[in-house]
Amino acid sequence: EAGVTQFPSHSVIEKGQTVTLRCDPISGHDNLYWYRRVMGKEIKFLLHFVKESKQDESGMPNNRFLAERTGGTYSTLKVQPAELEDSGVYFCASSQRTGGETQYFGPGTRLLVL
Amino acid sequence: GQQLNQSPQSMFIQEGEDVSMNCTSSSIFNTWLWYKQDPGEGPVLLIALYKAGELTSNGRLTAQFGITRKDSFLNISASIPSDVGIYFCAGQRGNTGKLIFGQGTTLQVKP
Repeated sequence: EAGVTQFPSHSVIEKGQTVTLRCDPISGHDNLYWYRRVMGKEIKFLLHFVKESKQDESGMPNNRFLAERTGGTYSTLKVQPAELEDSGVYFCASSQRTGGETQYFGPGTRLLVL
Repeated sequence: GQQLNQSPQSMFIQEGEDVSMNCTSSSIFNTWLWYKQDPGEGPVLLIALYKAGELTSNGRLTAQFGITRKDSFLNISASIPSDVGIYFCAGQRGNTGKLIFGQGTTLQVKP
């Protein structure tokens, strides 16, 4: 069974540009999460989808971040326009059910904004 | 905001030594989790704890869910070079999926 996959693995962009990150969860997992780790700090929750619906988006930093999960399968996270402080590693995770259920993480997308 | 304090921040030990790291919080969690992240990979779940006072082992790893539900520790016995990586604690409340992570403990093992 394939794990959570993320694309791209790395992205280097200039301030003001747009970047779109993609996450493919494990097949059959209704729950999809986005997290971010800024250099040396904790991994922070961004948002949680249940199928195509946003269950919790309390961690989204600001309106430059837009997450979608059309059809309840893969998800995209767009940053527009990117700022220097958006640099970090963006992780996606998925789980079958919500509470108390193991979340399986993807390898992450390493974003560097110059 | 919600925060988990994880310590130590980093450790450099000799192969064969035991390792201990812990997390504390000012708030109660229903679930405590310990993850390990290898370079270039995402975090992988090591141990999950669901009850206050619970002590769970996974091979050379042992973790405990504190009685107060506000802390947890992870012990690694007889460390080996492949234990190198970043270890994260994480807490979860109720039926929400959201994980709250500690800052991570970077472990280096000298052969």
